[in-house]
Parts: sequence; C-alpha cells; structure tokens
Amino acid sequence: GAGVSQSPRYKVAKRGQDVALRCDPISGHVSLFWYQQALGQGPEFLTYFQNEAQLDKSGLPSDRFFAERPEGSVSTLKIQRTQQEDSAVYLCASSSDRVGTDTQYFGPGTRLTVL
Amino acid sequence: GNSVTQMEGPVTLSEEAFLTINCTYTATGYPSLFWYVQYPGEGLQLLLKATKADDKGSNKGFEATYRKETTSFHLEKGSVQVSDSAVYFCALSPISSGSARQLTFGSGTQLTVLP
Repeated sequence: GAGVSQSPRYKVAKRGQDVALRCDPISGHVSLFWYQQALGQGPEFLTYFQNEAQLDKSGLPSDRFFAERPEGSVSTLKIQRTQQEDSAVYLCASSSDRVGTDTQYFGPGTRLTVL
Repeated sequence: GNSVTQMEGPVTLSEEAFLTINCTYTATGYPSLFWYVQYPGEGLQLLLKATKADDKGSNKGFEATYRKETTSFHLEKGSVQVSDSAVYFCALSPISSGSARQLTFGSGTQLTVLP
C-alpha cells in the first residue's frame, strides 16, 4: 500500500514569509508525528496527534509553528514569519497504534530553505 | 530526559568488512530501541527494533542486541555491501501505556562502503 507522503518536497521561502507543509499519513493510522531534522543531525520531535487531537506540542520551537489535523488524517505544519534558523528537513511519520506496536513510518520529508 | 549517543562518523569500510556502530542511551525505565536507515535521497526506514532487555533485532544481515546493563544497542553486520552505504540512526521511544510515543534520535552515522 501507499506509504507516508509529504508535499512539497522542496520549499524555498524568503525570510518573513509563511509556509505550509502537508503530510498524508498511511490510511487508517491513528498517530501522526512531526519532526525537524537539521543538516547533519538526527530528527527532533515537534508535535504529536492522535486522530484529530494534538496531544503533545512540547517540541515546537516557537509560537510561529502551528500544526493541525482537523479530520484525523491529513496534517499541515505551518510556519509563520520564517527565519533562517527554520531551514531544515521536516519529517512526518505515522503509526497504526495497534496494541504492542510502536513502529513509526516516515515520509520523504520537506526540505525548507529560508533565504 | 531521554537521550541517545551514537558513534560519530563518517565510517568508511571495504566491501565484506565487519561493521559495528555504537549506540548508548539514557532513559527512564526500559524504552523500545530502534535502528533507522536513510539511503541517499530517501526517507527514514526502520531497519530493526527491540522492545525489551536481551531482545535481538535483526534484518538484512544487520543485528543489534538490547543490553540493559550497559544501556547499549550496538548495530553489527558481518559483511557489508556497497548497497549498505547510508546514514544510520539509533533511536528510542519511552515506556508508556497506551498510544505511540515520540522517538528520540542519535545524530546519525554516515557509512560508506567501497567496492
């Protein structure tokens, strides 16, 4: 079946612009995660949804970052007034949440470059 | 808090050489442990995992054993191939009841295998 997809794959923004990054999880997956991966580093957790509920947003670096999943499937990560330090790859992952499993499946990521 | 310390790279080996990538962790209780791999131009893929002490995860000739006493989860392969060239990430998810948990990643190890 189809995996996790993300769009766009690449995004270039001028400093101060708003951007929106989309994630389509695996169909039926309850849990959805967003991670930020800086160049040469491992991914870092941003936020977590269970269905449409955002249960953890402790990793969001500032109030310029906002995520939603209104119908419990597709999710959007929005970054307002982008800064150069926001340049990174943004990864989405989903999990089925069945009892006894915690495997997360990752999308290809969106590479954001802020000029 | 939780953390993962991973052997720094880059690592360059000849084909058929033995591979070890060290990984140690700090966490409360007994987390689940993972190795993810990122091939050039692709997203993160789960390579193997272990969910309790002394478990051995294995896949595609790679192995890692969950060592509680040394808080380690070292990745090994007896004979690497050129196609194993990728970035390898060690990760953990904390012990928790209920739904899926966020991953904490190491910084990644770049492996290059030469023919």
